[in-house]
Amino acid sequence: DTVLTQSPALAVSPGERVTISCRASESVSTGMHWYQQKPGQQPKLLIYGASNLESGVPARFSGSGSGTDFTLTIDPVEADDTATYFCQQSWNDPYTFGAGTKLELK
Amino acid sequence: QVTLKESGPGILQPSQTLSLTCTFSGFSLSTYGMGVGWIRQPSGKGLEWLANIWWDDDKYYNPSLKNRLTISKDTSNNQAFLKITNVDTADTATYYCARIPIITTPYFDYWGQGVMVTVSS
Repeated sequence: DTVLTQSPALAVSPGERVTISCRASESVSTGMHWYQQKPGQQPKLLIYGASNLESGVPARFSGSGSGTDFTLTIDPVEADDTATYFCQQSWNDPYTFGAGTKLELK
Repeated sequence: QVTLKESGPGILQPSQTLSLTCTFSGFSLSTYGMGVGWIRQPSGKGLEWLANIWWDDDKYYNPSLKNRLTISKDTSNNQAFLKITNVDTADTATYYCARIPIITTPYFDYWGQGVMVTVSS
């Protein structure tokens, strides 16, 4: 299975720029997607196909990367962005998710 | 407006069969390229993809659980189903269904609120 590795946690101040990384154990081309999950809620799609912003998601969110290294950027970070962010690949069988990066605001 | 809602038994005993229903609106599973997937999340842990079913009734399972999973759909009633046989405490989790808008780049764009399932004797 394709293992997706994410940093476990980050802490940033509102107004700053934050990058959340996801590294795949093998190439997933651009079949990488990003989700935001707040406590007690279902995941919400932010980015699909590595860099495509989902409709209705603020332009503060952006995604980049291809192959094995991917980044979700939030610029600027707002207090409401406190959440866990998951990457997910659908290029290789089976689909897999990263363990999530918990973003905290200082 | 796309919505999905999961339903299930809440609690069941080890070795029983878990039956989950996803009732959706705002799209049709007869539309070319459309799919529905099931994903689960143990409390405080990460997400695990379980299975997909597509508009043409093609099915796709996570090999780690394939022998225990059966996914199906009722297109006319806008429902998808997942059965997991021989459950164990490790199957305790919140189960989500989610829409996949296009088969060429499978991602989950709308999710249900999830249904919590506890396996306990």
